[in-house]
Amino acid sequence: DQQVKQNSPSLSVQEGRISILNCDYTNSMFDYFLWYKKYPAEGPTFLISISSIKDKNEDGRFTVFLNKSAKHLSLHIVPSQPGDSAVYFCAAITMSRDSQKTSYDKVIFGPGTSLSVIP
Amino acid sequence: DVKVTQSSRYLVKRTGEKVFLECVQDMDHENMFWYRQDPGLGLRLIYFSYDVKMKEKGDIPEGYSVSREKKERFSLILESASTNQTSMYLCASRLATDTQYFGPGTRLTVL
Repeated sequence: DQQVKQNSPSLSVQEGRISILNCDYTNSMFDYFLWYKKYPAEGPTFLISISSIKDKNEDGRFTVFLNKSAKHLSLHIVPSQPGDSAVYFCAAITMSRDSQKTSYDKVIFGPGTSLSVIP
Repeated sequence: DVKVTQSSRYLVKRTGEKVFLECVQDMDHENMFWYRQDPGLGLRLIYFSYDVKMKEKGDIPEGYSVSREKKERFSLILESASTNQTSMYLCASRLATDTQYFGPGTRLTVL
């Protein structure tokens, strides 16, 4: 059972318009959330994060909104540019303990949404 | 800039072969991770390590093992490759609770 869901496998948006990528999660114990961006033949790169105690974080054209009651977060890209075309992964972080009782962050990724920004 | 490198970008192996995927990071990061990425499933954690000689199973460790003899190097081993291990393999590293930095990935095809 996926704890982090991205129900839209793909999204197409016109250049200059807003892109909204959605992510839903099931575990209310997640401590913070991240968005990663991945181009073909490259590894994912970190984009933006939000702590579970906040409801919004903004960085340039990228804004992430968190609705804890709905267990939903979204990434807004305004304005969208062709270079934003990539796969976007939502990730949720929770503190866990390993077999030797050492704390570490456990990262759970969603399946990804492929964004195409059309010139 | 953090650099995470993976030994091969593309690899083709036959069923039953032993496969080594190497990952090296140059930023003295404690934590290193191996994921596989499959369409519709996102990134799934295979194994991770938060120190030399230490290793922990992730969500899908079956059919894999790892080795962390030096801090900068984390190896993923497929003892006997199978066709269902055809995938994109991504290595990542990070300091403590910082964000993860990913390598470029290795596209493995098992025939």
